Amino acid sequence: TQLLEQSPQFLSIQEGENLTVYCNSSSVFSSLQWYRQEPGEGPVLLVTVVTGGEVKKLKRLTFQFGDARKDSSLHITAAQPGDTGLYLCAGVRSNYQLIWGAGTKLIIKP
Amino acid sequence: DAGVTQSPTHLIKTRGQQVTLRCSPKSGHDTVSWYQQALGQGPQFIFQYYEEEERQRGNFPDRFSGHQFPNYSSELNVNALLLGDSALYLCASSFLHDDLGNTIYFGEGSWLTVV
Repeated sequence: TQLLEQSPQFLSIQEGENLTVYCNSSSVFSSLQWYRQEPGEGPVLLVTVVTGGEVKKLKRLTFQFGDARKDSSLHITAAQPGDTGLYLCAGVRSNYQLIWGAGTKLIIKP
Repeated sequence: DAGVTQSPTHLIKTRGQQVTLRCSPKSGHDTVSWYQQALGQGPQFIFQYYEEEERQRGNFPDRFSGHQFPNYSSELNVNALLLGDSALYLCASSFLHDDLGNTIYFGEGSWLTVV
């Protein structure tokens, strides 16, 4: 069974600090996605990374796909309270099934 | 252009009962996948439907069944409900031939509580 290990599971930091969330697997994926989920809502896709070594930026969020396409990271610069939420990574298999990490619950304190 | 819509948004059922959840995919999408998300955990894949057939299935018992209609909408049925079936059930809409997954959209989910 393919698994995605996501860490940390929980992170509480002060506004303005930087943070990195990691997503690791022993398997190769066609692509890897990062989602953000608010309480009571479905996940919302933030980004899809496809090529090994790819880096994508979304304002203060930087997403990187590992060279071997087995791992990924999400880095947030100067975190703000509005960044608070559950961040999920998901590996996309060739048959379109998503393999999910357990999520990182992020709290940014003002 | 409506996104993915799911119904009902919340429901409470008793152990042993049956439940049907519904999903309408985003316009232009032909594939529907269902996920179960327990509180504090990531989603778990239940199954995926394309062309009215189940294409693939996760590690869920036969109590979980589904259907896709000609208009691409889908239903998830769960029989003989257990307390452990309490979760958020998510529907994901996509276009089968988008190999990169760039067009995956999720509904807001159906919260099922089994008492």
